[in-house]
Amino acid sequence: DAKTTQPNSMESNEEEPVHLPCNHSTISGTDYIHWYRQLPSQGPEYVIHGLTSNVNNRMASLAIAEDRKSSTLILHRATLRDAAVYYCTAPGNLIFGKGTKLSVKP
Amino acid sequence: EAGVAQSPRYKIIEKRQSVAFWCNPISGHATLYWYQQILGQGPKLLIQFQNNGVVDDSQLPKDRFSAERLKGVDSTLKIQPAKLEDSAVYLCASSLGRGLESFGEQYFGPGTRLTVT
Repeated sequence: DAKTTQPNSMESNEEEPVHLPCNHSTISGTDYIHWYRQLPSQGPEYVIHGLTSNVNNRMASLAIAEDRKSSTLILHRATLRDAAVYYCTAPGNLIFGKGTKLSVKP
Repeated sequence: EAGVAQSPRYKIIEKRQSVAFWCNPISGHATLYWYQQILGQGPKLLIQFQNNGVVDDSQLPKDRFSAERLKGVDSTLKIQPAKLEDSAVYLCASSLGRGLESFGEQYFGPGTRLTVT
């Protein structure tokens, strides 16, 4: 019983922005939304997290819907090194779905 | 700052044998997690420790899996006896573990790839 829903795969061109969506309709008021990514043969890597407001860091931006039932991870300029599986976790932060496999074309 | 260390990186055993994995978290991180990741799936939480106490082990198959975190620092995960379906990558992660926000900001080790034949 996955608590987040993400598209199985997405494709992007290098140096273009990428918007990765996640639905978390069962989220509670105190649940943070966390995003991770996993490169091949590596452990997941923390990307960003937020509660209500949009967040920016050196890796990405996180846009959270006003009702908090969905969020979007934004990679402003995709590079080949961004090709990975992206997971959003919420509620509880300890449940990972299958994630979105992002492919980046040169 | 050193990351989460795990060993071994790879292990091949026959079914019904036993195996143990070791994890050393980031210094100062109170919370430690063990995950199982089967090929093509996301990580599945097996057990969560806060210092040396168990917070959640509801998905740990306790008839064959055991884990301990002595002295609240490093941890071992054991499987005895192993089954074919235990073939997976076993990931260890740690977090500061203070407050709801920091529980989710986990730092993962490289994992141990287990193959059971």
